[in-house]
Amino acid sequence: EVQLLESGGGLVQPGGSLRLSCAASGFTFSNYALIWVRQAPGKGLDWVSAITGSGSATYYADSVKGRFTISRDNSKNTLYLQMNSLRADDAAEYYCARLGDGESRDWGQGTPVIVSS
Amino acid sequence: QPVLTQSSSASASLGSSVKLTCTLNSGHTNYIIAWHQQQPGKAPRYLMKVEGSGTYNKGSGVPDRFSGSSSGADRYLTISDLQSEDEAGYYCEAWNMNTRVFGGGTKLTVL
Repeated sequence: EVQLLESGGGLVQPGGSLRLSCAASGFTFSNYALIWVRQAPGKGLDWVSAITGSGSATYYADSVKGRFTISRDNSKNTLYLQMNSLRADDAAEYYCARLGDGESRDWGQGTPVIVSS
Repeated sequence: QPVLTQSSSASASLGSSVKLTCTLNSGHTNYIIAWHQQQPGKAPRYLMKVEGSGTYNKGSGVPDRFSGSSSGADRYLTISDLQSEDEAGYYCEAWNMNTRVFGGGTKLTVL
């Protein structure tokens, strides 16, 4: 069974940093691209970033480019999202997801990020 | 890049059927899309992929009551024999090499 477990969310001040983790199990981790998706309170889903299985290619939404960095450690079956220069509009539930043949196939349960002074 | 348009809300009676629509923008009408369900307070759950031909492929454990179809730029999700647990948000998703987008979501109310 595929399992994705996010952690690392919490309260951070504007301008601060946070690193999210997504621990994976139940599949051959390095064979799959992974993404981060966020959802602000009461809003829809918003794609944040993607990374290929090897980690050789990364992609970002314009809203986070230059501030967020996606990475993965295939030896630890873990995906990361380093978030710097956080703003109020970055506040959201952050989900990691495993891609199938393009689509977001399996989702984690999410971790909340609150940006407030 | 693709843009997906969904109605913000829909409602239907218990035991009836409902058809939700996701519309692709011009120049992207051949895209495959995915449907996801998000029950209140829960993470999204993958339901199915729908191709422009109308072929659809469901995820593991998705009930037979859920089906997909397509017409031109529109991709549909049909839920038959509506149950109370189908009351949820439904999001469509499209992707290409370096980006992905979600529709704004449709909140389905089961009356």
